[in-house]
Amino acid sequence: GAVVSQHPSWVICKSGTSVKIECRSLDFQATTMFWYRQFPKQSLMLMATSNEGSKATYEQGVEKDKFLINHASLTLSTLTVTSAHPEDSSFYICSARLANEQFFGPGTRLTVL
Amino acid sequence: RKEVEQDPGPFNVPEGATVAFNCTYSNSASQSFFWYRQDCRKEPKLLMSVYSSGNEDGRFTAQLNRASQYISLLIRDSKLSDSATYLCVVNGGGFKTIFGAGTRLFVKA
Repeated sequence: GAVVSQHPSWVICKSGTSVKIECRSLDFQATTMFWYRQFPKQSLMLMATSNEGSKATYEQGVEKDKFLINHASLTLSTLTVTSAHPEDSSFYICSARLANEQFFGPGTRLTVL
Repeated sequence: RKEVEQDPGPFNVPEGATVAFNCTYSNSASQSFFWYRQDCRKEPKLLMSVYSSGNEDGRFTAQLNRASQYISLLIRDSKLSDSATYLCVVNGGGFKTIFGAGTRLFVKA
């Protein structure tokens, strides 16, 4: 199957700093990628849909100025958590669709102290 | 009502047991359905798609009941390695994919 990578796999940062997470489709082009967040023992919640060459579409309740998404190429989308706070600590997962299947990155575990 | 609902479990079963999970969805216009498996602290991975006619893959059988708007997953002859969280996933058309909260399964020796 297709491969999606994420970097970094985990990050610990101080409150108030910004963190950038990269999502790459390694062997296919993805005009659309998705960013999810998953808190412990909860489901994946779609945060936003990232569209190559245009603005991301954010789900209700997700602050677009706090979670900056850039999809500059067909294989790379980035999510920047700006001014991170402890409540932003979570597991962030990106995915890309190929045919009718979604392929997920390995996730990034963010811990904000 | 949640768009996709699952029994969170956990289901604790012995090796060799048969276990079944159900999932209900609220959008009757949903077009495609999947079961994903997620291991602890890992990303979800596709287990199988769910077709209207039902489908089987080894020890796993998935079924779809559009009239009642539910999906099921049956695991026969459970293995220790089947221990995971099983996510019911519904695609409502376009790119809108909804994940259930997952059902946790523990298979014990």
